[in-house]
Amino acid sequence: QVQLQESGPGLVKPSQTLSLTCTVSGGSLSSGGYYWSWIRQHPGKGLEWIGYIYYSGSTYYNPSLKSRVTMSVDTSKNQFSLKLSSVTAADTAVYYCARANTVLEPFTYWGQGTLVTVSS
Amino acid sequence: DIVMTQSPDSLAVSLGERATINCKSSQSVLYSSNKKNYLAWYQQKPGQPPKVLIYWASARESGVPDRFSGSGSGTDFTLTISSLQAEDVAVYYCQQYYSTPFTFGQGTKLEIK
Repeated sequence: QVQLQESGPGLVKPSQTLSLTCTVSGGSLSSGGYYWSWIRQHPGKGLEWIGYIYYSGSTYYNPSLKSRVTMSVDTSKNQFSLKLSSVTAADTAVYYCARANTVLEPFTYWGQGTLVTVSS
Repeated sequence: DIVMTQSPDSLAVSLGERATINCKSSQSVLYSSNKKNYLAWYQQKPGQPPKVLIYWASARESGVPDRFSGSGSGTDFTLTISSLQAEDVAVYYCQQYYSTPFTFGQGTKLEIK
């Protein structure tokens, strides 16, 4: 059974870079042609898709965040990562990593999520 | 971007009764080549990540009780819970995976009356 686990600082200062890692267990990140996404949920609000990365490193970012987002993958560690630069309080959210079987399929596996608060 | 709009925002239904949640997309999510609707429904309980219930608008995910069903095509979709159980209290989201950026509805909070 595939499991995803987010990790990273829970508190980030304004204007700094938010960095999160998703560790995949129970399966290889580089097998099966899966697409690995980051999704966030502002407190008490809906869901916003940030972007995806393929094991080869190819990415697609939501245009609303594209200028500040960088995703990367480390197949040797079975991890993929998110960096969001120049954060403000509006970036305070629960961040989830998730997997879709192909680029145009729903998210069938999710991490438990990690709350990141942007505050000085 | 495809905008997903759910109705109602909240819903209170008696145990054993039917619950119906609607989702409308700003453009069709039906691929003409394969006749599939690229629409999923998720259930999110407090403190948990969303869980996919329905995909391709009407296909039930493995392990999901058959009281959950999805219908609709093109731009209008419905999630129906035929007989509400206490454990169904949650927020429900629709999501289109027809085109990037993938987008979700604002959510419908389902409670017991």
